[in-house]
Amino acid sequence: ELKVEQNPLFLSMQEGKNYTIYCNYSTTSDRLYWYRQDPGKSLESLFVLLSNGAVKQEGRLMASLDTKARLSTLHITAAVHDLSATYFCAVATLLEDTGNQFYFGTGTSLTVIP
Amino acid sequence: KAGVTQTPRYLIKTRGQQVTLSCSPISGHRSVSWYQQTPGQGLQFLFEYFSETQRNKGNFPGRFSGRQFSNSRSEMNVSTLELGDSALYLCASSLFPTNTEAFFGQGTRLTVV
Repeated sequence: ELKVEQNPLFLSMQEGKNYTIYCNYSTTSDRLYWYRQDPGKSLESLFVLLSNGAVKQEGRLMASLDTKARLSTLHITAAVHDLSATYFCAVATLLEDTGNQFYFGTGTSLTVIP
Repeated sequence: KAGVTQTPRYLIKTRGQQVTLSCSPISGHRSVSWYQQTPGQGLQFLFEYFSETQRNKGNFPGRFSGRQFSNSRSEMNVSTLELGDSALYLCASSLFPTNTEAFFGQGTRLTVV
């Protein structure tokens, strides 16, 4: 079974600082997703990374994918309080015959302190 | 364009009862997947439906079942509820199973007492 490890589990950072969340997965996958979840809310799609070396940026968040290392990173630049949330990475296997399935990491609970 | 709609949003049930949750995907989307989210186990895959057929199933007991209708709406059913079934149940829809993007609904918060 595909395993997805995410670290750190908890992250408390000051506003204005930079940090990186790491996502490792155990076997080859078709694609890598990053989601954000606010307390009591659903999952909001942030990025979809489809190929080795893919880099995507949206505001203060930047995600990258290294399929050879089976590693994705979510980099936070100059954090602001609004970024406080739980961030999940997910790896998808999308097979025509057997259907598709997302494997989620444990999530990183990010708190940005003023 | 309406998003993924899950009903009800909140539910309280007693042990031993059964429950049915509903998910209406984004218009035009034909693939629906269900996930269970708990503090202890995180997000776990339940099942995936496409064209009224279950194509994939996660590692859950037979008490968990689902179906998809011709209009792509999906229901999941949990029978003989246990305390451990208390969770946020999330539904995701996509155009086709191999489509890149999956969009999640707001979820149904089930509490078993």
